[in-house]
Amino acid sequence: EAQVTQNPRYLITVTGKKLTVTCSQNMNHEYMSWYRQDPGLGLRQIYYSMNVEVTDKGDVPEGYKVSRKEKRNFPLILESPSPNQTSLYFCASSPTRTNSPLHFGNGTRLTVT
Amino acid sequence: SQQGEEDPQALSIQEGENATMNCSYKTSINNLQWYRQNSGRGLVHLILIRSNEREKHSGRLRVTLDTSKKSSSLLITASRAADTASYFCATTGNTPLVFGKGTRLSVIA
Repeated sequence: EAQVTQNPRYLITVTGKKLTVTCSQNMNHEYMSWYRQDPGLGLRQIYYSMNVEVTDKGDVPEGYKVSRKEKRNFPLILESPSPNQTSLYFCASSPTRTNSPLHFGNGTRLTVT
Repeated sequence: SQQGEEDPQALSIQEGENATMNCSYKTSINNLQWYRQNSGRGLVHLILIRSNEREKHSGRLRVTLDTSKKSSSLLITASRAADTASYFCATTGNTPLVFGKGTRLSVIA
């Protein structure tokens, strides 16, 4: 089944403790992206990648890192999480950057205390 | 940023009625897409309309695009309780997909 898989689904952590949210897609998509969703702010793009080893900042990249060493995986890394990074995070992928629908994962709800 | 803005923010209708949501954007686009999100879940793509198209249908969904007014509308006909969700428009141009803040639709049985 074609899908985008994010893990974990829920995560509670403390300020400063490094964490990684994994994202994997099995559709051979070139484009992958991370979003955070907060009440009243909609979806905001954190980082995106147009292909292996190519990553770019989105609208809200501060405090996050990503890597794209393989086509299928696009992990989101929080080196030193802070409470303002408490949010619902989504990974998404599509065949190309602009003219294709995005396929979303089911989300990761992160709480930083 | 060419973020789309949906209107209204929230909409409540009876089952069987039609629901119309609007999206406005600021800059020129390649295409405009509509997505649905059930509470707390990932967004699901509904329909994509290209900048040279004016109307598109998919089942009970009808999307229109007016590039002169920089606006789009999503019509859901004969709504069902299962249509209760948030609906987002998203635009692409020279930058990757940018989402609006969504319209929350409640369909009351």
